[in-house]
Formats: sequence, structure tokens, C-alpha cells
Amino acid sequence: AQTVTQSQPEMSVQEAETVTLSCTYDTSESDYYLFWYKQPPSRQMILVIRQEAYKQQNATENRFSVNFQKAAKSFSLKISDSQLGDAAMYFCAYRRGFGNEKLTFGTGTRLTIIP
Amino acid sequence: GAGVSQTPSNKVTEKGKYVELRCDPISGHTALYWYRQSLGQGPEFLIYFQGTGAADDSGLPNDRFFAVRPEGSVSTLKIQRTERGDSAVYLCASSPLGGAGKGTDTQYFGPGTRLTVL
Repeated sequence: AQTVTQSQPEMSVQEAETVTLSCTYDTSESDYYLFWYKQPPSRQMILVIRQEAYKQQNATENRFSVNFQKAAKSFSLKISDSQLGDAAMYFCAYRRGFGNEKLTFGTGTRLTIIP
Repeated sequence: GAGVSQTPSNKVTEKGKYVELRCDPISGHTALYWYRQSLGQGPEFLIYFQGTGAADDSGLPNDRFFAVRPEGSVSTLKIQRTERGDSAVYLCASSPLGGAGKGTDTQYFGPGTRLTVL
């Protein structure tokens, strides 16, 4: 079974600084996708960024980028120029490439932005 | 366009009662998912519909839980004889495609229903 581990229950960062959230996963599959979702107090999960395992290039979305290390099964999220609106729970998630399409989530990291 | 909607937003019930939670997916999305998020945890998969049929119900914890999607759009999650351990946020998500093909289909989540069993 696939597992996703987020070892940082809480992180904090000064506004405008950079922070990195860690995620590791375990799978025997070769074709899969990885995601970072943000969950603000409103509860709605919002996709931040995704990475296809077959792509070597790290995904980037504006201030958000990932460091995908396939051999190490590591998938960290870097947030640059942190803003107050970035404060939320962040969840790392795994999805097998095809067939069973469920997401497997980690336990989350609570990110606090210090003004 | 409109996102995934879920009703009610909050539901308080008594132990032993029956509850129904509703999910309206994004129009045209054929795949629909239910997840359960307990306090301090990440969401856990319950069931996945492709059209009207349940393609994977391996996450349903026991036979008190049942879900339907009769017309391939709206889905209802039904919980019989509720227990205090059922208290959680129930999240619904939809995606435009699904099934056995490869794809990068993003799952779009609703705001969830917070169920409290007293």
C-alpha cells in the first residue's frame, strides 16, 4: 500500500521569506502523480501544484515550486515570498497513474505566516 | 463556473440516527469521490464513482456506510446508526475524467460537511 509522510506538523515563516515543507512517500509503482493541496480554515482543499513522476523537471506555479527526488521518494514544496494568505494546512498527496484514482494524503503541515 | 457544493455545511445528530450528506459535483465531471477527514488528519478515501457506478468502495469502513449516484451527477453519502466515531468532515471531490486511462485529472474539492455525532 502507498503511504505519504509529512514529518513537520507545524511550520512558521516570516512574511516575504521562503519556506520549504517536506513530504516523503512509499510506493512500488513506477507511474504516479504527486500533489500539494492547501486547506484554509474554510475547509476547501485547493490544488497548489502537481508533479507527474515521469517528468524529471520540477513543477513550478508562480511562487510555489517543488523539489521532486524520485529515487529518494521525496517531494518537498517551496513557497517563496510568503504572504499572509498562504497561512493554511498543506497536504501532500499521491495518486497512482491509472486505474484506481483515489488520492492518498499525508497528515498535513500547518503553516503560519508571521507578519 | 460553479464549484463542487456540499450540503449541509454542518450536521449535528444523535448516536444511532441516520444521516444523508449530499454532493453536487462540477457540471460535466464524470468522476466523483468521497473522503473523510478526522480531526488533525489528512482526508481518507471512502468511495469513488465513475458515472453512476461505484468503481472503488474499498474505503467504506463498514456496512453502515453507503453511497449512491443514481443519475451520474449528484451523490448522497448515507450513514446508518451513527456512532460518535463517525464525527468528521466529509469531503466530496469531482474530476472531469476517470476510469482506467492515464490522465492528470485534478480532483476539485467541495467545502465539506462537518458531521458531529453526540
